[in-house]
Amino acid sequence: GGIITQTPKFLIGQEGQKLTLKCQQNFNHDTMYWYRQDSGKGLRLIYYSITENDLQKGDLSEGYDASREKKSSFSLTVTSAQKNEMAVFLCASSIGVGDTQYFGPGTRLLVL
Amino acid sequence: AQSVTQPDARVTVSEGASLQLRCKYSYSATPYLFWYVQYPRQGLQLLLKYYSGDPVVQGVNGFEAEFSKSNSSFHLRKASVHWSDSAVYFCAVSMRTNNNRIFFGDGTQLVVKP
Repeated sequence: GGIITQTPKFLIGQEGQKLTLKCQQNFNHDTMYWYRQDSGKGLRLIYYSITENDLQKGDLSEGYDASREKKSSFSLTVTSAQKNEMAVFLCASSIGVGDTQYFGPGTRLLVL
Repeated sequence: AQSVTQPDARVTVSEGASLQLRCKYSYSATPYLFWYVQYPRQGLQLLLKYYSGDPVVQGVNGFEAEFSKSNSSFHLRKASVHWSDSAVYFCAVSMRTNNNRIFFGDGTQLVVKP
């Protein structure tokens, strides 16, 4: 088995701040994903990466940047945090796009 | 455009009762189908998946789901729920072509009353 680690677990930021979330997986999966989940809502895909150094925009990429420098890691940057923003960011990985995804525990963001 | 619909935002059942959570998709071909569960303050975990073959697939913890091509559905069932089954359940589909991502439904919150 493998595991997905997301850091930090909690992130408190200020309005306008640039914030970076990190994700590591040891499944040796090619594909990684970032989702945003608002309270009581479903998942919205922000970015995904089919392989190292690849980036694909999802449905909610505006306001975010992503980086996949290594096969095992995928970072997400909130380019300018919005006041009162509160959401959970979930990272996932899979062997290939469309295959079973394995999820991390999430990073909880609060912007003051 | 491809979509996944979970028509029930919230389902409440009594412990020991049977359960069905509904999922419908819109796509002309048969997709890959998944059910995931999310417990409070955790990520999603795979319950079961359907790729082909027997339309009834078994998952973990006594869950099963049935694929219906004629109804474009993949409903999740359990014969007897336990209070620990309280969680949010997500249906998901992906197309059987290269580089086609998984689409998730909005989720159904299951509340099991003691």
